[in-house]
Amino acid sequence: NAGVTQTPKFHILKTGQSMTLQCAQDMNHGYLSWYRQDPGMGLRRIHYSVAAGITDKGEVPDGYNVSRSNTEDFPLRLESAAPSQTSVYFCASSRPPQGGGTEAFFGQGTRLTVV
Amino acid sequence: AQTVTQSQPEMSVQEAETVTLSCTYDTSESNYYLFWYKQPPSRQMILVIRQEAYKQQNATENRFSVNFQKAAKSFSLKISDSQLGDTAMYFCATHQGGSEKLVFGKGTKLTVNP
Repeated sequence: NAGVTQTPKFHILKTGQSMTLQCAQDMNHGYLSWYRQDPGMGLRRIHYSVAAGITDKGEVPDGYNVSRSNTEDFPLRLESAAPSQTSVYFCASSRPPQGGGTEAFFGQGTRLTVV
Repeated sequence: AQTVTQSQPEMSVQEAETVTLSCTYDTSESNYYLFWYKQPPSRQMILVIRQEAYKQQNATENRFSVNFQKAAKSFSLKISDSQLGDTAMYFCATHQGGSEKLVFGKGTKLTVNP
């Protein structure tokens, strides 16, 4: 199984441009989350989804949008990129928490630079 | 709100020695889970070990073990017989039972020296 697949792995974006980071999981997990990782800050959750059609804001949602039309995919969209969005982005999936507390499975990350 | 604190931004250890990484957390929940993730230079997040709060026995995975002190809200990671491949960032995280929320500490950069 591929697990969680993120594309692209690296990208350079100009200020004001838009782009979509892709996330796909093949483990039939219900929960998907997007995190950003910044030096000295650990990982902070941007948006998450508990099921198809349901999304919610995480700790740092401003400037990002998400949608979830099916179980597998959870794209993250930057509508108008800013240098402050330069970061490493991770998508993570996990099973529902009933009997829960299972660990999150992470994609390989996307290093995004906004110039 | 849940918080996770890793008080050691960087640590180093000699190959074959033992090192302990500290983590404290704060939660009002009685049902929660704790994790240590490893992030090597490849950037991949890898689960090292997990602990369920209702279990008193400390979790162990080969050379990795935890010292879980529930009353003190402490969850340290001990790496025995350190290897060069253990060089990585290590993140402590807590997951609230019944919730999808995973909260991370800021990480400890561990370097294993030959």
